[in-house]
Amino acid sequence: AQSVTQLGSHVSVSEGALVLLRCNYSSSVPPYLFWYVQYPNQGLQLLLKYTSAATLVKGINGFEAEFKKSETSFHLTKPSAHMSDAAEYFCAAFTSGTYKYIFGTGTRLKVLA
Amino acid sequence: GAVVSQHPSWVICKSGTSVKIECRSLDFQATTMFWYRQFPKQSLMLMATSNEGSKATYEQGVEKDKFLINHASLTLSTLTVTSAHPEDSSFYICSASSSGGTLGEQFFGPGTRLTVL
Repeated sequence: AQSVTQLGSHVSVSEGALVLLRCNYSSSVPPYLFWYVQYPNQGLQLLLKYTSAATLVKGINGFEAEFKKSETSFHLTKPSAHMSDAAEYFCAAFTSGTYKYIFGTGTRLKVLA
Repeated sequence: GAVVSQHPSWVICKSGTSVKIECRSLDFQATTMFWYRQFPKQSLMLMATSNEGSKATYEQGVEKDKFLINHASLTLSTLTVTSAHPEDSSFYICSASSSGGTLGEQFFGPGTRLTVL
């Protein structure tokens, strides 16, 4: 069965430091992949998506992610963390076979002053 | 573009009552809508998928008689929690997808916080 794994339920970084949130998927067919951010009591906001075009995807708010088929990974990065980046981040995979999103368990990012 | 709204944003009800949550696509036609449930500090769990004019498809373990879903038009889907109990308290999020958009992309509503007393 298809699954999405996010390593690290909590990640803390200092303001200005590199942000790295990990996501691995398991699928025999490379899926479409998404990163979403969720602030408290709000819905999900799309950060970026991979849909089989360029493997390095740039998103909003300075985030980017690289699709690596050999590693079945789609890690999210940002060169310099801001306090406003503190939120919950979800990785999701979609395949046309199931027509469903499979979400990872989420990573809570904390940014330290 | 691609805005999805939910109403209400939060609701408190007494145990045993029914609650209806609306999900609307404001600027596109949503051929498929999805309903998710999210417990505190947990991920989203898909409850059901609904296509306009068809019966919803429920995920395993989701009671279809408990969570009634109607997708009567291309811009509106409703989730009714019948005879709500405290264990139904959760954050409910809908999403919508258009067959004319990027394949697979879903647009999420802001969520509805349900508290059952």
